[in-house]
Formats: sequence, C-alpha cells, structure tokens
Amino acid sequence: EPEVTQTPSHQVTQMGQEVILRCVPISNHLYFYWYRQILGQKVEFLVSFYNNEISEKSEIFDDQFSVERPDGSNFTLKIRSTKLEDSAMYFCASSGTGMSYGYTFGSGTRLTVV
Amino acid sequence: AQSVTQLGSHVSVSEGALVLLRCNYSSSVPPYLFWYVQYPNQGLQLLLKYTTGATLVKGINGFEAEFKKSETSFHLTKPSAHMSDAAEYFCAVSESGGFKTIFGAGTRLFVKA
Repeated sequence: EPEVTQTPSHQVTQMGQEVILRCVPISNHLYFYWYRQILGQKVEFLVSFYNNEISEKSEIFDDQFSVERPDGSNFTLKIRSTKLEDSAMYFCASSGTGMSYGYTFGSGTRLTVV
Repeated sequence: AQSVTQLGSHVSVSEGALVLLRCNYSSSVPPYLFWYVQYPNQGLQLLLKYTTGATLVKGINGFEAEFKKSETSFHLTKPSAHMSDAAEYFCAVSESGGFKTIFGAGTRLFVKA
C-alpha cells in the first residue's frame, strides 16, 4: 500500500537554528498538508498546498515557516529560527482529490528544540 | 468555521464490550466527517469517512459511525472491543471547497482484559 514517508524520524536542534522537515507524499496525490501535535495536545493544522502554492494556512504558520515542493516528489517544511515552543510531532499528509478523500499521514518527525 | 468536540478524553472498556466514542461537529456547510486512529509512535490512519449518501458508514477493524445531522454528531462504535483497539481516536471535519481538515482533541481508548 502506498505510504507517505517522512524524514528524519527524530530531530534535535538548538533554539534559533533552522530545520527542514522532509516528506515524500504518495506519488499521484495532488494535495499536501503539514500538521503538528504538541505532546498531549490536539493535532493542529499548519498549511495546505495545492498546484504549487499554499491554499490555506493557520495562524500558527507565521513568517518563520515556509513550505516548498522543490521537485516532483518531495514536500518540505522549513522552520527558520526555531523556538522552544516549536517542539512537537510534525505530520505530513497527502490527499488524492481534495477534502472528501481523507488523508494519508506519514509517521511524523519528532522535533525537539533545546 | 468548522470545529469538532470529542466527549471524553479517555474511555475504558472491557474486552468484548461495546465501544462508543462520541463526536459532535460544527460546520456552516454540509460536512465531510472522518475518524482516524493513532497507535503509539505512529501517524494517523483513516478508519472511516462520511461524505454523502448512506449515513451509517463502515470502516476498517469492525468500526462504524453514523452521521446524524439533527444532532450534529458522528459517534464511532464497535460492537466488541479487542485488546488491539487500544489507541487514540480522532474525529475530524472538513468542508467541500475548503483546504483543511480540523481534528478533535482525541479520545484515548483503553481495553481491559
């Protein structure tokens, strides 16, 4: 069964450093998403991406965040200057044909900012 | 704007007992509704979804959910719990024409032997 692949599975970074979280969505999917889950809290929407541009973003997704689909397979989330409160599990997801399809999630990247 | 409320952050049942996880939603347009399951250290996996048509939907692992528009509910049930059902369950809502899905806070299901 097709999978969404995320790398790395764990990342530890110093406060103020830049991190790039990588995702390979399912190859024929058109919609891509990033969510985060702070330990013990709910799964929060960050951003959706379709047709090579951001289609919607949350208030969490401020100027320190950016997304990119640099080639036909990868989908990345960059956090420019990490803060302690960015520590969370970050999930990438993809969807075939929009909102009624449901998402396929990756296994997540656990980001720890120290 | 859409929102989701899951009643009960923790639910504990005995093996073989009925599982009932409650979800209420708010949406300004006819919603798409989903249940996802998350096992420890894994991503979320789609259990089932309601888009249109039959209001009782069946999913994987013997779970089903019923869309009740009058009650704005989408409760998840399973007639007989199994130890392997122990996990966190998330109800979610999205809207046609939108670009995001909103998740509830999750309900952790414990299954006692």
